[in-house]
Amino acid sequence: EAQVTQNPRYLITVTGKKLTVTCSQNMNHEYMSWYRQDPGLGLRQIYYSMNVEVTDKGDVPEGYKVSRKEKRNFPLILESPSPNQTSLYFCASSLKDRAAYEQYFGPGTRLTVT
Amino acid sequence: AQTVTQSQPEMSVQEAETVTLSCTYDTSESDYYLFWYKQPPSRQMILVIRQEAYKQQNATENRFSVNFQKAAKSFSLKISDSQLGDAAMYFCAFPRGSGGSNYKLTFGKGTLLTVNP
Repeated sequence: EAQVTQNPRYLITVTGKKLTVTCSQNMNHEYMSWYRQDPGLGLRQIYYSMNVEVTDKGDVPEGYKVSRKEKRNFPLILESPSPNQTSLYFCASSLKDRAAYEQYFGPGTRLTVT
Repeated sequence: AQTVTQSQPEMSVQEAETVTLSCTYDTSESDYYLFWYKQPPSRQMILVIRQEAYKQQNATENRFSVNFQKAAKSFSLKISDSQLGDAAMYFCAFPRGSGGSNYKLTFGKGTLLTVNP
């Protein structure tokens, strides 16, 4: 089954404790992206990647890191989480030439930083 | 700057009735896509319908249809014969390109739809 998976689905952590949210897709997609969703703000892009070893900032990259060492994986790293990073996070992927046409979303990761 | 505007934070509809959710957007591009996503309580983002800007015909998917007015930059979603399962947050979105690379989806703030039995 074609899908985007994220782990964990729920995470509660404390300020400053490094964490990684994994994202994996099995559709051989070049394009992958991270969004965060906050009440009243919709979804906003954090980082994106057009291919292996190619990443760039989105609209709200501060406090986040990403890497793209393999085509299927695009982990989101919070090296020193803060309470303002409490949010719902989505990973999405697409074929590079179809990113404007369709993006597949993962199930979301609910992160709480206390 | 906000480029997608959903002016109705909340809407309600009676089961089996019709409801229209509004969306306006701003872009200088001439060819693009527009989307409506549904987010039920499970929080999964589900693509409801997609419209290609160069097509004059409004997109339809079963009970869901759009009223696309390119000149007015308006893209409303009509849900006919509303069902309880349609209750969800609805987001209007379109992909902003940057030199043909990052097509990040730009979302409105959402409209929470309640369906009353």
